[in-house]
Amino acid sequence: NAGVTQTPKFQVLKTGQSMTLQCAQDMNHEYMSWYRQDPGMGLRLIHYSVGAGITDQGEVPNGYNVSRSTTEDFPLRLLSAAPSQTSVYFCASSYSTFTEAFFGQGTRLTVV
Amino acid sequence: TQLLEQSPQFLSIQEGENLTVYCNSSSVFSSLQWYRQEPGEGPVLLVTVVTGGEVKKLKRLTFQFGDARKDSSLHITAAQPGDTGLYLCAGKYMEYGNKLVFGAGTILRVKS
Repeated sequence: NAGVTQTPKFQVLKTGQSMTLQCAQDMNHEYMSWYRQDPGMGLRLIHYSVGAGITDQGEVPNGYNVSRSTTEDFPLRLLSAAPSQTSVYFCASSYSTFTEAFFGQGTRLTVV
Repeated sequence: TQLLEQSPQFLSIQEGENLTVYCNSSSVFSSLQWYRQEPGEGPVLLVTVVTGGEVKKLKRLTFQFGDARKDSSLHITAAQPGDTGLYLCAGKYMEYGNKLVFGAGTILRVKS
């Protein structure tokens, strides 16, 4: 069982570039979410989805887009990268909002 | 001001010592989780507490949930170097749709 798989693990972008962070889970979980982790800030929720075709904003959604066309995949798009988006990004999935969240290994993104 | 405050931010102790990490909020949690995160990895769930006054034990780790469900603590007995890592508390609040809200984390270093 792969669990939650994130790609890439590392990425360097120039300001203004766009990219997509991939997240896939093989546990048939309905609930998926994206967090960013910054020193001294904990994990902050960017976007989440309660099922295919349904997404909603979290605490820090600006500059990020998501879509959920399948149960398995939940990509995060940066449309025009900014240095403030330098962070470690984690994708998580769970059976529901009330059950254990499983996290991917993270993507370390640097925007220069 | 963060909704969920975690303390201390950093703890460096000798092997064999005991320690306690605290998690506090001004709002009532519907549930609270404790995670442990190692460098380069995503957080991994240690425990979920739901009932006020609840105490759960996981080997040398003891988790308490406050009677009013506004605070929690993690106590480690006889810490070992393998306990080194980032400990995160994460609470769910009814008024926030039961989305996970993370504390800033406690970095624990256990020296041998």
